[in-house]
Formats: sequence, C-alpha cells, structure tokens
Amino acid sequence: GDSVTQMEGPVTLSEEAFLTINCTYTATGYPSLFWYVQYPGEGLQLLLKATKADDKGSNKGFEATYRKETTSFHLEKGSVQVSDSAVYFCALSSYYGQNFVFGPGTRLSVLP
Amino acid sequence: GAVVSQHPSWVICKSGTSVKIECRSLDFQATTMFWYRQFPKQSLMLMATSNEGSKATYEQGVEKDKFLINHASLTLSTLTVTSAHPEDSSFYICSARDPQVGRYNEQFFGPGTRLTVL
Repeated sequence: GDSVTQMEGPVTLSEEAFLTINCTYTATGYPSLFWYVQYPGEGLQLLLKATKADDKGSNKGFEATYRKETTSFHLEKGSVQVSDSAVYFCALSSYYGQNFVFGPGTRLSVLP
Repeated sequence: GAVVSQHPSWVICKSGTSVKIECRSLDFQATTMFWYRQFPKQSLMLMATSNEGSKATYEQGVEKDKFLINHASLTLSTLTVTSAHPEDSSFYICSARDPQVGRYNEQFFGPGTRLTVL
C-alpha cells in the first residue's frame, strides 16, 4: 500500500540555519503531496502542496519539489526562525483522494 | 475558503460517560469527512471515513460501537465516544473533503479536540 517515510527527529537548529526535512513516498499512480505543520496543542495547518511531478510548492519561505524520479518531496527553508518550531508532517493523497497517508512527523526545535 | 471547525476544542469527562465531538465544514459542502486520532508525539491515525447519509467505514481495529460516527448533513459530522475510559484520552482531529473540481484529492483539517477522561 501507499506509505510515507520522513527523517527521524527531533531536529534542533539555531536561528537562521538552513532546514531540510526529507520525505520519500511509495504510491501507485500519481499522488498529490503535502506538507502540514502542527504547532503545540493545535491542529494541522497546510503548509504547501504539489499535485504533479516537478511542481514546487512554497509558502512562508518553505519550499518542496515533487520529484517523481526519486519519489521524494523534501521540505526546505533557507533561514529558520524560532517561530518555526513545530512538528512537520509529510503526507500523500491518492489520485482519488479517499484518504491521506501521513508520515510519522518530524519535530523541529529552533533555538535563538 | 475551506474552513473546518470542531467543537469542543477540549473536554474533560468522567470515566463511563459519553462525549460528542462535532465537525463542521463552514464554507463548503463535504460529502466525505474523516476522523483521526493522534497520541502524544505520534502521527495521525485514521479511525473512520464518513459519507453523508450512509454508514461510516471504520479502519481495522477501531471499535464502531465505541466510536459512533454520524454524518447527517453535508456540513456536519459527529463523533461520539461512548462509555469513555482513560485510554480513550487523545487528540481527535476531523477533516473534510471538498468535492469541487481541483480540490477533490485534498482534505481540510479541523483544529482538533483534546479529550481527557478521568
């Protein structure tokens, strides 16, 4: 079945450091890919998405490119802030979107 | 657009009581809604999928008699935790799918409900 793998956390960075959170997936067909962010005690917020190969999703300085050849959707940000501290989930949705498959989440802590 | 609300945002109840959680799509009609459960420091686990006007489809291992789901309208789904026990304490998140073209494969998430059973 479909699956999503994320790099193990927690990830601890200093403010203004470069961030990469790796995400790879296994799916049949052509899934849509998503990154969600969850701040402490809150629900999930969509951070960015990409619906086809080579699409780049971007939002709030975060970027991720849908790489079909490597089945990856790595999240990057050039300069993280303390306010970026949260848990980040990579997810995929099958073409027919019946349900999502979530990765295990990566906890990011940014120190001032 | 595509806002999903949940109520209550948190609830504390005594063991043995039942708790109802509401999930509403505020600005679109959701033919399908999903209920997830999240344990501390873990990912989301899909509990069930509910389609408006029909019975919910439960994932393997989820007790349908314990977690009653009703999707009576295109904008409201409810999850009732019956005879709750401390092990039911968790963060429950709902999501809804907008059937409009171009958004069909996306889900929109509510803010979650934290249930604590004493």
